[in-house]
Amino acid sequence: GAGVSQSPRYKVAKRGQDVALRCDPISGHVSLFWYQQALGQGPEFLTYFQNEAQLDKSGLPSDRFFAERPEGSVSTLKIQRTQQEDSAVYLCASSNRWAGRTYNEQFFGPGTRLTVL
Amino acid sequence: AQRVTQPEKLLSVFKGAPVELKCNYSYSGSPELFWYVQYSRQRLQLLLRHISRESIKGFTADLNKGETSFHLKKPFAQEEDSAMYYCALKGGATNKLIFGTGTLLAVQP
Repeated sequence: GAGVSQSPRYKVAKRGQDVALRCDPISGHVSLFWYQQALGQGPEFLTYFQNEAQLDKSGLPSDRFFAERPEGSVSTLKIQRTQQEDSAVYLCASSNRWAGRTYNEQFFGPGTRLTVL
Repeated sequence: AQRVTQPEKLLSVFKGAPVELKCNYSYSGSPELFWYVQYSRQRLQLLLRHISRESIKGFTADLNKGETSFHLKKPFAQEEDSAMYYCALKGGATNKLIFGTGTLLAVQP
């Protein structure tokens, strides 16, 4: 079956531009995560959704970062007024168990590589 | 603070040699630990989790709470094991993962 998909795969933005990154989770997965992976680093948690509810946004680095999942499926990560330090790969992952119950595997998308010039 | 440390950025071994990828963690409470792998041009995928106590592709990892370690081991490396390996810790009630910085394993023929 289809895995997690992300679009675009690559995005080049000029500093100060707004960008929107899309994630299509595996159908039926209630949990959705966004991670940021800078060059040479491991992924770092940004935010978590359970269906349409954003239950944890403790990893968002600033108020320029905003995520939504209005219908509990597709999610969008928006970055306003991009800065060079936002350059990274943004990963989306989904899983099919409620948070707090038995952990279920997170399935990762291919990522969106954002380059801010 | 919750943290995962992978001290080696690169580990190079010859085919058939034993492999040990190191992982240490910091966590107050009962930890849940995982190894993720990313092969060239593929997406990040789960390799194994400590709860399952399983062996996947010949790899095993034992949780040592006394040493706060979760090292990944394989007795005989294969060229197809060459990949980036990340150790990860489940942090909090939301199942978010805390990753280490990763170790690139290069298996030479």
